[in-house]
Parts: sequence; C-alpha cells; structure tokens
Amino acid sequence: KAGVTQTPRYLIKTRGQQVTLSCSPISGHRSVSWYQQTPGQGLQFLFEYFSETQRNKGNFPGRFSGRQFSNSRSEMNVSTLELGDSALYLCASSYGASGANVLTFGAGSRLTVL
Amino acid sequence: AQSVTQLGSHVSVSEGALVLLRCNYSSSVPPYLFWYVQYPNQGLQLLLKYTSAATLVKGINGFEAEFKKSETSFHLTKPSAHMSDAAEYFCAVSPRNYGGATNKLIFGTGTLLAVQP
Repeated sequence: KAGVTQTPRYLIKTRGQQVTLSCSPISGHRSVSWYQQTPGQGLQFLFEYFSETQRNKGNFPGRFSGRQFSNSRSEMNVSTLELGDSALYLCASSYGASGANVLTFGAGSRLTVL
Repeated sequence: AQSVTQLGSHVSVSEGALVLLRCNYSSSVPPYLFWYVQYPNQGLQLLLKYTSAATLVKGINGFEAEFKKSETSFHLTKPSAHMSDAAEYFCAVSPRNYGGATNKLIFGTGTLLAVQP
C-alpha cells in the first residue's frame, strides 16, 4: 500500500512569506504527527492530530499551525517565515495514538528560507 | 522531563565488523523505545521497537537491541556491518506517563554510521 506522501518535496521561500505543507497518511491511519529536523536542533516534535483533533503540541511559536481533515490528510502552515525555519519537515502517520504505535514517516518537505 | 542520549555523533566501522550504537534514556517509568534509520534525502524508517515484551528485540536488516532497565539503555547492535548500513540512526522514546494517549516521540541527536570497505 502507498506510504506517507508529503508535498511539496522541496520549496524555497523568502523571509516574511508563509508556507503550507501537505501530508497524506497511509490509508486507514488516523493519527498524523509533524516534526522539524535541523542540523542544530535535530528532530523536534511540532504537533500531533488524531481524528481532526490536535492531541499534542510542541514548543514552537504560534506562527506554526496545523490541521487535519476528515480524510486524515493534514497540513501545516508557517507564517511570517524566518531564516531559522529552514528545515526538513517530516510527517508521520499511524493507526492509533497509544505511544506504542509505530510511526511511518514520509520523505519530508525541505524548506529553504532566503 | 524525558530525554534520550546517544553517545557518539559519528561512528565508523569496517565492513564485517560489529556495529554498536549507544542509547540511554532518562525516565522513572520505562518508556516505549524505538530505533529509526534515515538514509540521505529520505524520511525515517523503523528498525525496531520495545514495548515491554522481550528485552531483546530483533529488527530489520539484522539489527537488534537490548532493553536494560538497570542501565536505562537500549543499545543497537548488528554482528556484521554492511556498506548499505551507512546512514544516520536515531533512538527515540515515547513516554508512558503522559496524561493522555499520544504518539509523540522524543528523539536523540542521532549517530551517523560510516562503514569502511
């Protein structure tokens, strides 16, 4: 079956702009999580959605937001982009949200902010 | 707060040699533990997970890890390294003592494994 699909794979923005990233989970998976990966900070949890509800949020400013649709697809938005937002954004899906569930990751969306 | 420590940001081994990647966690309650691998320009792929069944966990590609509660460790090993094992490896924990159900993972800083011919 198809894996987790993230679009776009690569994008370049300038400071002050906003960006929307999309994630299509594995069919049947109801939980979607987002992570930011940078060389300096490593992998950091952004937020988690389950059945359209945000279950958990990481320590990021309000410029970072997300949502999940009824078909489990998810989007994250970053407004007023800063240079430090340049990162690989990873989406992961799982069937449940128990902590023991395995997360399946997408290939990521690499954002460069100039 | 939960944390994960991976000793050694870079590890280099010869092809055919033992691979040992170290991971220690801090938690009063043993968490769920995972090892993920990341190849260049790709996402993370699960190698194995520990969820309180057998303490020796076998994963894909010949990797295994042993949960040692007394040492709060979950080191990853492979008896014989292959060139295709060159990648970055991440240890992660999902705490059990959250107030509600969550899939949130706390990742270590990663270990870049190089395999020399």
